[in-house]
Amino acid sequence: DAGVIQSPRHEVTEMGQEVTLRCKPISGHDYLFWYRQTMMRGLELLIYFNNNVPIDDSGMPEDRFSAKMPNASFSTLKIQPSEPRDSAVYFCASRAQGTNEKLFFGSGTQLSVL
Amino acid sequence: DAKTTQPTSMDCAEGRAANLPCNHSTISGNEYVYWYRQIHSQGPQYIIHGLKNNETNEMASLIITEDRKSSTLILPHATLRDTAVYYCIVRLYMTTDSWGKLQFGAGTQVVVTP
Repeated sequence: DAGVIQSPRHEVTEMGQEVTLRCKPISGHDYLFWYRQTMMRGLELLIYFNNNVPIDDSGMPEDRFSAKMPNASFSTLKIQPSEPRDSAVYFCASRAQGTNEKLFFGSGTQLSVL
Repeated sequence: DAKTTQPTSMDCAEGRAANLPCNHSTISGNEYVYWYRQIHSQGPQYIIHGLKNNETNEMASLIITEDRKSSTLILPHATLRDTAVYYCIVRLYMTTDSWGKLQFGAGTQVVVTP
């Protein structure tokens, strides 16, 4: 299994631009999570899906952030417009139903907003 | 979820056992202890979890005190590749309202030296 696949690995953009981060979860996993990691705040859960349906988006910082999961094998996290304070590493994770809290994380997307 | 307290950092000699403590004095009876680690530039990786019995897998052993107020993660033979931040997380198991909402703290930076 290739694991959770995220793209791009690095993204550099200018303030005000739209940014789209992509994630392919492990095949057969029912849950998908988006986390953000910064030095100041550590790892924060932004949103998670169960069977492609958003369950809890209380961690999404503001309306500039949106996430979708059109099918079981693909999810996007979009920031529009982006701001310098959005600079962080964004992780996607997935897990299978009934497997406790054993999350599998991707390698992350390092986002820099100039 | 109960709060956890971990040392900020610790060093370990290669080939020796690394014992990582975690205090969770406010843990409740139905909360599990989970351990994850994060190697630099990678996503977090699940290590092990337990409720009250000691647990062992191919990566580590988890020792939970009888009163469940603290636990120790043991890496039996530390290697340089074990250098990482180790997170101790206390979490209700399979709650229906917030599956997967693992809250990562600051963790312990473990440095394994030759």
